Amino acid sequence: GAVVSQHPSWVICKSGTSVKIECRSLDFQATTMFWYRQFPKQSLMLMATSNEGSKATYEQGVEKDKFLINHASLTLSTLTVTSAHPEDSSFYICSARSVGANVLTFGAGSRLTVL
Amino acid sequence: KNQVEQSPQSLIILEGKNCTLQCNYTVSPFSNLRWYKQDTGRGPVSLTIMTFSENTKSNGRYTATLDADTKQSSLHITASQLSDSASYICVVVGGYNKLIFGAGTRLAVHP
Repeated sequence: GAVVSQHPSWVICKSGTSVKIECRSLDFQATTMFWYRQFPKQSLMLMATSNEGSKATYEQGVEKDKFLINHASLTLSTLTVTSAHPEDSSFYICSARSVGANVLTFGAGSRLTVL
Repeated sequence: KNQVEQSPQSLIILEGKNCTLQCNYTVSPFSNLRWYKQDTGRGPVSLTIMTFSENTKSNGRYTATLDADTKQSSLHITASQLSDSASYICVVVGGYNKLIFGAGTRLAVHP
């Protein structure tokens, strides 16, 4: 079945540093990848939709200069949290949709803790 | 406004018992409805995907129903196991493949 890999699964960083999270579709090509943020005991909140070869579409209220998204290939999208602050600490999850298919597969998530 | 509401918010049941989770939606247009299981600290895993014409779909001990007329779906778990403890998320896919997430139901199965 379709597998989406996220890396790292957890990361701790100092305030002011930037953190990059990778989302890879391992056995399929994904024209579209989605990035979500999830706070404890809450559901996923869509941050942005990432299309291969074009600029990401951000949801209202999400700072595009804060959360940089790059989707350079059909199997890789990256989310960079720039100048991270403690309030950016959260669980970040990506998902990928197969080309021409109705399957949406989620990654295992990346837990970011900013000290 | 496109919304997906799930109930109950949380549920505790004893191992071996059955339970039913509810999902009501007001999404239009409607493409499909999905149920996901999310273990703590993990990403969601797909349980079922149902289109407009499907009323029931099973995946092992999980059975999802869909009533497109009343815009209601349910997820029935049979003979619950400790490993069923998780959050169950109802997701409705609307126009332009936009996903609308429910807040989830947190299920705890106790021995």
